[in-house]
Amino acid sequence: NAGVTQTPKFRVLKTGQSMTLLCAQDMNHEYMYWYRQDPGMGLRLIHYSVGEGTTAKGEVPDGYNVSRLKKQNFLLGLESAAPSQTSVYFCASRIASGESQPQHFGDGTRLSIL
Amino acid sequence: GQNIDQPTEMTATEGAIVQINCTYQTSGFNGLFWYQQHAGEAPTFLSYNVLDGLEEKGRFSSFLSRSKGYSYLLLKELQMKDSASYLCAVRDRDYKLSFGAGTTVTVRA
Repeated sequence: NAGVTQTPKFRVLKTGQSMTLLCAQDMNHEYMYWYRQDPGMGLRLIHYSVGEGTTAKGEVPDGYNVSRLKKQNFLLGLESAAPSQTSVYFCASRIASGESQPQHFGDGTRLSIL
Repeated sequence: GQNIDQPTEMTATEGAIVQINCTYQTSGFNGLFWYQQHAGEAPTFLSYNVLDGLEEKGRFSSFLSRSKGYSYLLLKELQMKDSASYLCAVRDRDYKLSFGAGTTVTVRA
């Protein structure tokens, strides 16, 4: 099983450029999440989705947009990249049923903004 | 919101036991998770607690006290491959996770 796949794995952008990070899961999970991870800080939730066509803001949503047009895909967009958005971005997914079910993470996208 | 604290670093010897503590202050507790993250890799699920008490899974055990806002992860018979960061995460009623900054465990021969 592929699980959660993130594309691309690495990217370098210039300030002001835009890009989209793709997350795809093949587990038929309802819930999907985007996090960023910075040194000395925990994973912080950017946006999340509880189903196809729905999205909601997390803890640090400013500067990011998301879309969930298909159940298996969750896109994270940066409209105008800033150096403060240099980070490692993780996508995760979770099945809706089952209290003990954990979130499953992708391998991350390492993004540098110059 | 959630406020989650765990030590930054711990060092232990191969074969020993290490206990990683996690304290939290939360509005709407709905479970606590521990994840392992090797450098440059994705977090992977280790354990889940929602009721008070100890959950044991092989060499790893996790304990929860909801009244004290406290959990620990116990790693027994440490192996070199256990060198990693261990993340404590608290879930709220909307099934969102809030993570601590992680504890980096270094296992020495």
